[in-house]
Amino acid sequence: DGGITQSPKYLFRKEGQNVTLSCEQNLNHDAMYWYRQDPGQGLRLIYYSQIVNDFQKGDIAEGYSVSREKKESFPLTVTSAQKNPTAFYLCASSPIPGETQYFGPGTRLLVL
Amino acid sequence: AQKITQTQPGMFVQEKEAVTLDCTYDTSDQSYGLFWYKQPSSGEMIFLIYQGSYDEQNATEGRYSLNFQKARKSANLVISASQLGDSAIYFCAMRVPTLNSGGYQKVTFGTGTKLQVIP
Repeated sequence: DGGITQSPKYLFRKEGQNVTLSCEQNLNHDAMYWYRQDPGQGLRLIYYSQIVNDFQKGDIAEGYSVSREKKESFPLTVTSAQKNPTAFYLCASSPIPGETQYFGPGTRLLVL
Repeated sequence: AQKITQTQPGMFVQEKEAVTLDCTYDTSDQSYGLFWYKQPSSGEMIFLIYQGSYDEQNATEGRYSLNFQKARKSANLVISASQLGDSAIYFCAMRVPTLNSGGYQKVTFGTGTKLQVIP
């Protein structure tokens, strides 16, 4: 059963702490993306990766970091430099860059 | 700059009735694509339908159709025979080419329309 999985579903961060959100896909897609969603707003792009070992900043990359060491995996780290991390984070993938993006179930990050 | 506008923050529709969700867009690109996604309360974004800027016919997928009016820059979603499971937030999105050599196309999302289907 192909798809995109994100874990955990809920994540709590303490002040000054880095946390990592997991995103895995078994769709054999080349491109992967991370979006942030705030209440009442659309999605904003944090980072994207078109191919393994390559990634590019999106519109709101400050305070975030990513890696793409494997085709299937695109973890997002929310660093302590991100001063307002409370949001819903969605990971997506597409067969190749530019094609329709398919989304995972999301991770809700809350600050303690 | 690209922009997507969804002017209806919330809508109600009676079960089994049809409903139209509005979306207007702004881009100077000639080649672009338009999408609609559904986000139920679970949070996952579900792809519904796609329309390319050069497609001459309106896209249809089951009960979903996209009313594409290029001159007016609108891409409204029509849901026929609404069901209770259609209650969700619906997002319109647009992708346009970038100068990125890898083929990346920037996707811009609207702010969404919350649809509630009434029994």
